[in-house]
Amino acid sequence: AQKVTQAQTEISVVEKEDVTLDCVYETRDTTYYLFWYKQPPSGELVFLIRRNSFDEQNEISGRYSWNFQKSTSSFNFTITASQVVDSAVYFCALSEADTGGFKTIFGAGTRLFVKA
Amino acid sequence: DTEVTQTPKHLVMGMTNKKSLKCEQHMGHRAMYWYKQKAKKPPELMFVYSYEKLSINESVPSRFSPECPNSSLLNLHLHALQPEDSALYLCASSQAPAGGADTQYFGPGTRLTVL
Repeated sequence: AQKVTQAQTEISVVEKEDVTLDCVYETRDTTYYLFWYKQPPSGELVFLIRRNSFDEQNEISGRYSWNFQKSTSSFNFTITASQVVDSAVYFCALSEADTGGFKTIFGAGTRLFVKA
Repeated sequence: DTEVTQTPKHLVMGMTNKKSLKCEQHMGHRAMYWYKQKAKKPPELMFVYSYEKLSINESVPSRFSPECPNSSLLNLHLHALQPEDSALYLCASSQAPAGGADTQYFGPGTRLTVL
């Protein structure tokens, strides 16, 4: 069974602080995919990043960076110099093969508040 | 263009009503998804369509009936819903369902209230 744990329910930071959102996953498959999505108050899920299980390279995109470590089954997300517009719920998700295709399961989400 | 559209944005219905949610994408994606999201919870997969055929049904009650008339359209027909079915219903699409988990692009959702 697959499982995604986002232990931080809510995080509150002041603008310009760095913040790391944790994600730990469980899977028995060797081939799987990890995602981060952002859900602002408007409700739409916005794709941020996709990683496959064979690519452990960390990635940086502007103020966003991701640290994928298979040894600890973690895929953490860091926002550098946070801004008020970063306030949202962030979901980590895991996709792995299942009968009928790939199934995606989401973590519980971390609600990030960035105060001005 | 990574746009998935959903209509209506909001829907209020009684328990005896029949209504439909609509989802559309013009990205040439061949997989489409329905998710249900309760307040302060993560999205939960309901159905997956792959090349216009239902490939995954997560044991969803029959009062929810999905339909994929063509590769761009996905409907969710609702009948005899319960108040606990009130939620945000999200549609998503991805390029191809086979060979790996492609990125899913989500629509803005339909916020459903069942009275």
